Amino acid sequence: DAKTTQPTSMDCAEGRAANLPCNHSTISGNEYVYWYRQIHSQGPQYIIHGLKNNETNEMASLIITEDRKSSTLILPHATLRDTAVYYCIVRRGADGLTFGKGTHLIIQP
Amino acid sequence: EPEVTQTPSHQVTQMGQEVILRCVPISNHLYFYWYRQILGQKVEFLVSFYNNEISEKSEIFDDQFSVERPDGSNFTLKIRSTKLEDSAMYFCASSEQPNTEAFFGQGTRLTVV
Repeated sequence: DAKTTQPTSMDCAEGRAANLPCNHSTISGNEYVYWYRQIHSQGPQYIIHGLKNNETNEMASLIITEDRKSSTLILPHATLRDTAVYYCIVRRGADGLTFGKGTHLIIQP
Repeated sequence: EPEVTQTPSHQVTQMGQEVILRCVPISNHLYFYWYRQILGQKVEFLVSFYNNEISEKSEIFDDQFSVERPDGSNFTLKIRSTKLEDSAMYFCASSEQPNTEAFFGQGTRLTVV
């Protein structure tokens, strides 16, 4: 699976949009971009995934650049409960997920 | 909402003993996974399982480990002759189809003493 690069940490004010970037310049045509998050030592929580089109669900939006070499996860109105480590992962088919170190997002009151 | 359930939530075992970690995947899911997370480290993929056989495994998943789907609902991870370094959170996950999201359980904390 292709590697991803994310900032180590980010801050965001409560109520504002949190924009988390991810670079995946070596992504292959059949690999999807997935986002998960982990709060403390809980099980990773699925957020969203996409192939090449932008995606939106009740949790977040995923913006993938046209060349697919990077993407941005957007939490539209961050709350304190969104403080977590966010993982951007590229995955092919049903392969296992390769977690990196992720971005530690801290929502400030 | 359907969820992946894991038991026990915490298991303490003596070094050298065998442990079995249990998972009940979401009922209509066909792909099953085990991951582990040593305290303070990344989540690491161990193994994936489909159609009653292992489809992919990592370097971590050596002969000490085995997986089984003994019936239509459970998916187990067996660790033989546990070592201190096997202490970790073990997460089970399942997904319905390829290219669909995998849902994780809340994990079993294994402590080897």
